[in-house]
Amino acid sequence: DTGVSQNPRHKITKRGQNVTFRCDPISEHNRLYWYRQTLGQGPEFLTYFQNEAQLEKSRLLSDRFSAERPKGSFSTLEIQRTEQGDSAMYLCASSLYGGRYTGELFFGEGSRLTVL
Amino acid sequence: AQKITQTQPGMFVQEKEAVTLDCTYDTSDPSYGLFWYKQPSSGEMIFLIYQGSYDQQNATEGRYSLNFQKARKSANLVISASQLGDSAMYFCAMRGIYNFNKFYFGSGTKLNVKP
Repeated sequence: DTGVSQNPRHKITKRGQNVTFRCDPISEHNRLYWYRQTLGQGPEFLTYFQNEAQLEKSRLLSDRFSAERPKGSFSTLEIQRTEQGDSAMYLCASSLYGGRYTGELFFGEGSRLTVL
Repeated sequence: AQKITQTQPGMFVQEKEAVTLDCTYDTSDPSYGLFWYKQPSSGEMIFLIYQGSYDQQNATEGRYSLNFQKARKSANLVISASQLGDSAMYFCAMRGIYNFNKFYFGSGTKLNVKP
């Protein structure tokens, strides 16, 4: 399978615990994005990497959130001291600058977080 | 700032009929791209079609076409000959030239195709 891969697909945790999600993008893609989607809403931008550099972070990304992309390959999104408001689907997407449609996003299936 | 509005929370269509999903947008960027994505219950967002703001013709991709009316700032998705597998959430998204790396999504339309 050469698509975007995310794991775990589902995570249930207690408030205050830390969680980490992993995303493996399409191998030749140099851009990687994290989005958050809550029920009944469209995805909201969280952060973006070009290769290993994190170039932009949304104001939605509080200091409890951190994302990394070591060596410009896979990425991790960690949420510390989770709160119930963090419950959402976390979507990872990758793209190739200069693609046919000037960088359409290719999404993974998402990681659903439930904070009890 | 960019904004995408999808005013139809839910739509029903009979199998084999055509359906139009509405999308309006707001931007001050002189150049932008409009995208439609499908999200089945599995959760993965699937890219369907793209329209550039300076493209002269409306985009088409198989059964999908985009009715782009720039003056009205609308980019409606038309699905012809609906199939049961088309039942899903559909999201309109936009990316402007000044914030090229940030996609803005609408709240989506849930399409149900009836047999």
